[in-house]
Amino acid sequence: DTAVSQTPKYLVTQMGNDKSIKCEQNLGHDTMYWYKQDSKKFLKIMFSYNNKELIINETVPNRFSPKSPDKAHLNLHINSLELGDSAVYFCASSGRVINEKLFFGSGTQLSVL
Amino acid sequence: SQQGEEDPQALSIQEGENATMNCSYKTSINNLQWYRQNSGRGLVHLILIRSNEREKHSGRLRVTLDTSKKSSSLLITASRAADTASYFCATDEHGSARQLTFGSGTQLTVLP
Repeated sequence: DTAVSQTPKYLVTQMGNDKSIKCEQNLGHDTMYWYKQDSKKFLKIMFSYNNKELIINETVPNRFSPKSPDKAHLNLHINSLELGDSAVYFCASSGRVINEKLFFGSGTQLSVL
Repeated sequence: SQQGEEDPQALSIQEGENATMNCSYKTSINNLQWYRQNSGRGLVHLILIRSNEREKHSGRLRVTLDTSKKSSSLLITASRAADTASYFCATDEHGSARQLTFGSGTQLTVLP
């Protein structure tokens, strides 16, 4: 069974649309994250939730809104998509200690046309 | 420049050779981690070394940490074609707002 699963794997959409990416982990972890990886493979934290509470909210446009209905799920909703949002988005989770030994999903390749 | 910069950006070796990748960082850290990313996949955690440790081993991997030079190295011994991937270091800065900072990685290619 996949530990951290995110859907969809590929997302192609027009500028201005609203889209969501879903993430679920079955590891029983308390902390979940969203990272953005750009075309140069640079990986940057966007959000982090611990037990459904937001603990890290980096400087991302407020068009990006994370939602954590329970500690096994952390979804990412993006409004009014822009060309610059094109990237690979990774969901991750970690267990007892925040920021240690992260388990990553396989990524969502977002292409905004 | 960013915390956690890997060097070299790309490395190509023959199967059986050893591969060494380096990571430099700027601030005090709690720990440093190495991750591997195969093409089109998510990152996989390899090894974590704490700021009070100098060396750690895991299978064919050996990680060193020099806090005085703010640098770490990852050595993969007896490399295999399956080791072809990007390797990232990530630092958990001491006293930070609990942010794990990744570098842009070293692309390792192991030729059969």
